[in-house]
Amino acid sequence: DTAVSQTPKYLVTQMGNDKSIKCEQNLGHDTMYWYKQDSKKFLKIMFSYNNKELIINETVPNRFSPKSPDKAHLNLHINSLELGDSAVYFCASSQAIGRNEQFFGPGTRLTVL
Amino acid sequence: KNEVEQSPQNLTAQEGEFITINCSYSVGISALHWLQQHPGGGIVSLFMLSSGKKKHGRLIATINIQEKHSSLHITASHPRDSAVYICAVPNTGNQFYFGTGTSLTVIP
Repeated sequence: DTAVSQTPKYLVTQMGNDKSIKCEQNLGHDTMYWYKQDSKKFLKIMFSYNNKELIINETVPNRFSPKSPDKAHLNLHINSLELGDSAVYFCASSQAIGRNEQFFGPGTRLTVL
Repeated sequence: KNEVEQSPQNLTAQEGEFITINCSYSVGISALHWLQQHPGGGIVSLFMLSSGKKKHGRLIATINIQEKHSSLHITASHPRDSAVYICAVPNTGNQFYFGTGTSLTVIP
């Protein structure tokens, strides 16, 4: 069974569209994260979500919004997609924030045309 | 200047060589993470350490909190170790900072 899963694996869309990426973890973890990996392979945290507390990286545009229907899910909604949003997005989870090993999803490659 | 600096950026080694990747950080931390990203793109956590040294198989990670420095060592390197190794540091505000990664290629 996959510990952290993401769907879809690939997403190709037009500029201006709204899209969502889903993430689910079956590890019983309390904390989930979204990361963006750009074309230069540099990883940056976008959000962390722990016990209904959302910590946002201040550099993330407000077109990006995480939504957590329950502890096992943290979905990423993106409005008005731009070319610069093209990247690989990784979801991850850990037992608690900071001091615990993180488990990563397989990534979603988003291409905005 | 990046809060987390890794060196070298690229590393090519012959199979069997001992490899060291370094990570220096400037933010306050609760624990430092070493991650491995395979050529296919998947990321796995190798180590999470807040002091001293940890060992998993041929991989060893050390950290010196006073000097704000960590090293990842690979003994008897193998072509399957070829990957990007990333150092990650959470600060006291629970924001994560990542190094730019070290791309390792081990040649048979």
